[in-house]
Amino acid sequence: GAVVSQHPSRVICKSGTSVKIECRSLDFQATTMFWYRQFPKQSLMLMATSNEGSKATYEQGVEKDKFLINHASLTLSTLTVTSAHPEDSSFYICSANYRINEQFFGPGTRLTVL
Amino acid sequence: QKEVEQDPGPLSVPEGAIVSLNCTYSNSAFQYFMWYRQYSRKGPELLMYTYSSGNKEDGRFTAQVDKSSKYISLFIRDSQPSDSATYLCASNSGGYQKVTFGIGTKLQVIP
Repeated sequence: GAVVSQHPSRVICKSGTSVKIECRSLDFQATTMFWYRQFPKQSLMLMATSNEGSKATYEQGVEKDKFLINHASLTLSTLTVTSAHPEDSSFYICSANYRINEQFFGPGTRLTVL
Repeated sequence: QKEVEQDPGPLSVPEGAIVSLNCTYSNSAFQYFMWYRQYSRKGPELLMYTYSSGNKEDGRFTAQVDKSSKYISLFIRDSQPSDSATYLCASNSGGYQKVTFGIGTKLQVIP
């Protein structure tokens, strides 16, 4: 199957700092990538749809100024959590469509904000 | 009401048992139905997807969709301890549309 990577796998930061998470499709090109957040014992919640060369589409309730998404190329999307606070601590996962209806996920990034 | 409902479990079964995992959905526009497996602290892994109503088999796994009752099932035959994970059902209206996930059912297969 297709491979999606994420970096870093884990990050710990102080409150008020910004954190950037990278999502890469390693062996295919993805015009669309998705960013999810998953809290313990909860489902995956879609945060935004990242489109190569255009602005991301954010889900209702997600602050676009806090979660900056950039899809600079067909293989890379980044999520920047700006001025992170402890309530932003979560498991962030990206995904990309390899083929229609086949969405592959990255391994996730665990963010802890102290 | 959530668009995709799933019992979080946990579900414990002995090795070799047949496992039945189920979901219901409410959005009539959903056409594609997926099952993902997620190990602890890892990203979800696509197991299989089906279109509309019907069955699909892949090795020990069988996915079943009944659109008339809006019911999604995953059966695992001859379950193994390595099958222990959280299983998420998901659905969308097709193409590259966003996918809606259930909460996931935690499965434990006991040796």
